[in-house]
Amino acid sequence: KAGVTQTPRYLIKTRGQQVTLSCSPISGHRSVSWYQQTPGQGLQFLFEYFSETQRNKGNFPGRFSGRQFSNSRSEMNVSTLELGDSALYLCASRGEWGGDTQYFGPGTRLTVL
Amino acid sequence: QKEVEQDPGPLSVPEGAIVSLNCTYSNSAFQYFMWYRQYSRKGPELLMYTYSSGNKEDGRFTAQVDKSSKYISLFIRDSQPSDSATYLCAMGPYGNNRLAFGKGNQVVVIP
Repeated sequence: KAGVTQTPRYLIKTRGQQVTLSCSPISGHRSVSWYQQTPGQGLQFLFEYFSETQRNKGNFPGRFSGRQFSNSRSEMNVSTLELGDSALYLCASRGEWGGDTQYFGPGTRLTVL
Repeated sequence: QKEVEQDPGPLSVPEGAIVSLNCTYSNSAFQYFMWYRQYSRKGPELLMYTYSSGNKEDGRFTAQVDKSSKYISLFIRDSQPSDSATYLCAMGPYGNNRLAFGKGNQVVVIP
């Protein structure tokens, strides 16, 4: 099976702009989670989608949002970018509710100037 | 107190040595425990996964969980230069996909 794919791999934006990142889970996986990874805070949970519904949300401001499509692909959006949003954004997919572990994609590295 | 504590200090060992990594946690709801390996500029790759207290072996890797002490460990035997990476512990409550991660340990295995 192909792994989790994320596009784009690298992005450079300026403060105030918005950005959309995309994630395609492993075929057959319906759960997609998003994480932010920074050197200072490590990996932090953003949100999780299952069957097009947000099932969990982390402690991030409302500028961070996401959605999931009927084919399980997911997007996350960050509006009004701040310098502190520079990070590696990771997507992870999971097979069954409470059953399998999460498998990560390569991430999108976002730099905000 | 953070939910998961992992001393982020780098670790350098000679090839062939045993690498020992550990994490402590505070949330009693955590029921499943994982170790991920992350190479530079890559996403985390799952190494080990367990629900129960005790030891679980997979080749050169052993994961150890002590739920009574809220302490987990990863041991790498006969370490190789290819094991040089950052190792992250992760855990979560059963039935919940929201994982809590340690900050990771950068391991360097010197040939």
